[in-house]
Amino acid sequence: NAGVTQTPKFQVLKTGQSMTLQCAQDMNHEYMSWYRQDPGMGLRLIHYSVGAGITDQGEVPNGYNVSRSTTEDFPLRLLSAAPSQTSVYFCASSPGLADLRQYFGPGTRLTVT
Amino acid sequence: AQSVTQPDIHITVSEGASLELRCNYSYGATPYLFWYVQSPGQGLQLLLKYFSGDTLVQGIKGFEAEFKRSQSSFNLRKPSVHWSDAAEYFCAVGARGNNDMRFGAGTRLTVKP
Repeated sequence: NAGVTQTPKFQVLKTGQSMTLQCAQDMNHEYMSWYRQDPGMGLRLIHYSVGAGITDQGEVPNGYNVSRSTTEDFPLRLLSAAPSQTSVYFCASSPGLADLRQYFGPGTRLTVT
Repeated sequence: AQSVTQPDIHITVSEGASLELRCNYSYGATPYLFWYVQSPGQGLQLLLKYFSGDTLVQGIKGFEAEFKRSQSSFNLRKPSVHWSDAAEYFCAVGARGNNDMRFGAGTRLTVKP
């Protein structure tokens, strides 16, 4: 099992550009999430999903879109990148319901100039 | 929504000394509680979890944590710290059937020789 994979590992964007961060898991987990990590702020939840076709907003959803068309994939879209979105992004999956252990991907470091 | 406070941003301990990292949570129902560790430049790894039952839970790498409902706390402990324990530690809270997981801001642990 590859676990949770994320691409790309690094990305530099100009303000106003759009892009999609990819996330895939091969553990057949129902739940998936996106977090951003900024110094001194821990991990903040952007969006999450409890199954294919079901998504919801977390703490900091503005400027991001998600969709979940399959169990395996959970892409995060930045619609119009802003410098405030410079961060490290982590995707995570968990079995769900009574088992909320988060299995994290390796992260994507995004810089917006 | 639930929230987590980790009061200590940075802790320094000597190798071989005992360690306690504090975590306080806010949640109206029975929480699911977690401790994760992140080594520099790495993703997050689960140390231990509390779902129900025995309030003292054992984790990997010799760590343990105690759930105290009356104090809304879930402090992480280790009797003797090793240099390899230097990392950032995150407490997190969730709820059964809900993927809205909230993390604390983290505590950075430095281990002195």
